[in-house]
Amino acid sequence: DGGITQSPKYLFRKEGQNVTLSCEQNLNHDAMYWYRQDPGQGLRLIYYSQIVNDFQKGDIAEGYSVSREKKESFPLTVTSAQKNPTAFYLCASSRTDSYNSPLHFGNGTRLTVT
Amino acid sequence: AQRVTQPEKLLSVFKGAPVELKCNYSYSGSPELFWYVQYSRQRLQLLLRHISRESIKGFTADLNKGETSFHLKKPFAQEEDSAMYYCALRGQGAQKLVFGQGTRLTINP
Repeated sequence: DGGITQSPKYLFRKEGQNVTLSCEQNLNHDAMYWYRQDPGQGLRLIYYSQIVNDFQKGDIAEGYSVSREKKESFPLTVTSAQKNPTAFYLCASSRTDSYNSPLHFGNGTRLTVT
Repeated sequence: AQRVTQPEKLLSVFKGAPVELKCNYSYSGSPELFWYVQYSRQRLQLLLRHISRESIKGFTADLNKGETSFHLKKPFAQEEDSAMYYCALRGQGAQKLVFGQGTRLTINP
């Protein structure tokens, strides 16, 4: 069954701790993305990667870091520098060979930091 | 800069009534526009894209470059249309997708 898997579904952390969210895809897509979804603010792009070993900052990259060592994986680390880390995080992937290629989304991870 | 605005956070209509979800964008070139939908307990998924000129689940959307709009329309709403709808834009040659704030559509029986 092809798709994008995000884990875990729910994550709880204490303030001051870094936490890593997992995103894996078996769609053979070159591009992967991380969005943050907050009520009333829609989806905001954190980081994206068009190819292995390369990634670009999105609109709200501060306090986050990513890596893209494998095509299938694009983990997101929420660092202690992120001021408002509690949110719903969505990972997505897409092809890069077509201009209008849609994004395929995972089910998301809800992170709560207290 | 690329920007997508969905002016209505909430929209409620009765079953059988027409529905229109508004989307306005700001982009100087020729954009690629999409509508995504998130039904309850399901993942966000593509509904339609302007380049395909398709009708999906009775929904259509026309790109109006003069008004920089890409409104989503359906002539007769159904209860299963209740969901969160996002308009999104991709600029020419760009890979990233910029989303609007979303509109929660509720269809009342």
